[in-house]
Amino acid sequence: ETGVTQTPRHLVMGMTNKKSLKCEQHLGHNAMYWYKQSAKKPLELMFVYSLEERVENNSVPSRFSPECPNSSHLFLHLHTLQPEDSALYLCASSQDRALGRDTEAFFGQGTRLTVV
Amino acid sequence: QKEVEQDPGPLSVPEGAIVSLNCTYSNSAFQYFMWYRQYSRKGPELLMYTYSSGNKEDGRFTAQVDKSSKYISLFIRDSQPSDSATYLCASWSSNDYKLSFGAGTTVTVRA
Repeated sequence: ETGVTQTPRHLVMGMTNKKSLKCEQHLGHNAMYWYKQSAKKPLELMFVYSLEERVENNSVPSRFSPECPNSSHLFLHLHTLQPEDSALYLCASSQDRALGRDTEAFFGQGTRLTVV
Repeated sequence: QKEVEQDPGPLSVPEGAIVSLNCTYSNSAFQYFMWYRQYSRKGPELLMYTYSSGNKEDGRFTAQVDKSSKYISLFIRDSQPSDSATYLCASWSSNDYKLSFGAGTTVTVRA
């Protein structure tokens, strides 16, 4: 148990569906992240929230919409996805954005998303 | 060009062998270098990190960074079946506060 919990673990959705991924951390961290992990590709950073404010959006299509209602929760709202969006979506958190000696990023177990 | 390139593998070694994993990076501003381990159906977990060039040991694991050649390595001595996982190298810079990952190398240690 890493302290970062993601639900659901698996999700199959049609291209016209709307669904949401949920991430929860009780580590007292101030930064939260969404990453996309596709087979044989590096983890792609999608969004970064720091103190509940979105500080980074890496050119992610608008069919992905993040929400951070408080410092412990992060959502990724999905709508009209494409089959190429099928991947493992990972949430992570860290004390703050400055990673290094005393700060590491903790990852959740991910949501395996399949778009049909 | 990817900022961090990782030998793709996969690697399959017998129990007790030394596993050698390698990455190169292009961004001279990277300051911290990490290795994450990801078991099947799990998220990545931090295994080791290093700062600047040199070696760092932790039990059977040694992380090595050569900033002059922009080369990152992880060695696993006396490998065990429980070491079977995907290993991800990553680098971080305070310039953009971004953690850049390699694509990962899947290692299987055969009993």
